[in-house]
Amino acid sequence: AQKVTQAQTEISVVEKEDVTLDCVYETRDTTYYLFWYKQPPSGELVFLIRRNSFDEQNEISGRYSWNFQKSTSSFNFTITASQVVDSAVYFCALRPVYNQGGKLIFGQGTELSVKP
Amino acid sequence: DAMVIQNPRYQVTQFGKPVTLSCSQTLNHNVMYWYQQKSSQAPKLLFHYYDKDFNNEADTPDNFQSRRPNTSFCFLDIRSPGLGDAAMYLCATSRDQGASAYEQYFGPGTRLTVT
Repeated sequence: AQKVTQAQTEISVVEKEDVTLDCVYETRDTTYYLFWYKQPPSGELVFLIRRNSFDEQNEISGRYSWNFQKSTSSFNFTITASQVVDSAVYFCALRPVYNQGGKLIFGQGTELSVKP
Repeated sequence: DAMVIQNPRYQVTQFGKPVTLSCSQTLNHNVMYWYQQKSSQAPKLLFHYYDKDFNNEADTPDNFQSRRPNTSFCFLDIRSPGLGDAAMYLCATSRDQGASAYEQYFGPGTRLTVT
C-alpha cells in the first residue's frame, strides 16, 4: 500500500516562531519521489520541493528547510521565523517512479495559521 | 512567464446542465492532469493524459470526461453536474524527463458551483 500521513491537521503559531510540519509515508517501492506543496487561500497549489529516494541530503531554501529520513520514512518541513504570508494548507505527496504519468499520493494536508 | 491557465476561475451551472472547464499550458509538458478538490480535503485525481493517451482513475464517475486536442489544451466536461460535483477543479502539468521531471505545476483552479 502507498500512503502519506500528515498527522497534524491544524497548527497555529505566532509570527517569528519556527514550525515543523510532519510527513510520514508508506511505500514498497525502492525508487520514488516526495514533494511538498503550499495551497494559500487563493486555492492554487504551489510546488515547493521535490526529493528523490536516493538523495537524503537535507535542503534549505531561505526560511524553508526539509529533513528527509528514509530510516523513519519521514519528510518533514520546517519554516523558520514564520510570517503571516506562510499561512496556508501544506500538502506532502508521494510519487512512485515506475508509474507512467505520475499519480501523486497526497497526505491530508496541514493547515498552518501564522498570527501576527 | 510559462504557466498553467484555467478558465473560468469561477463557474456556476445548474443541476444537470453540461459544463466544460478549460486548461492551457505554456510549459510544453507532455502530461496533463485533472484533480477535484473539495473543502478541507486533498486533491483527488480524476484522470490524466500522458501525451495523447488518456488514463482514467478507477473511481472517476462516468459523468466526467476529458479531451486533449493538442499538447497545450485540455478540457474537463461534466455531462450532468450534480450537487455533489461542486468543488474546486485543478489542472496540473508535468514532464517525465529532465531536471524538473515529475514536478506537477498547478493552475489556479476553477471553482464550480452547482445550483
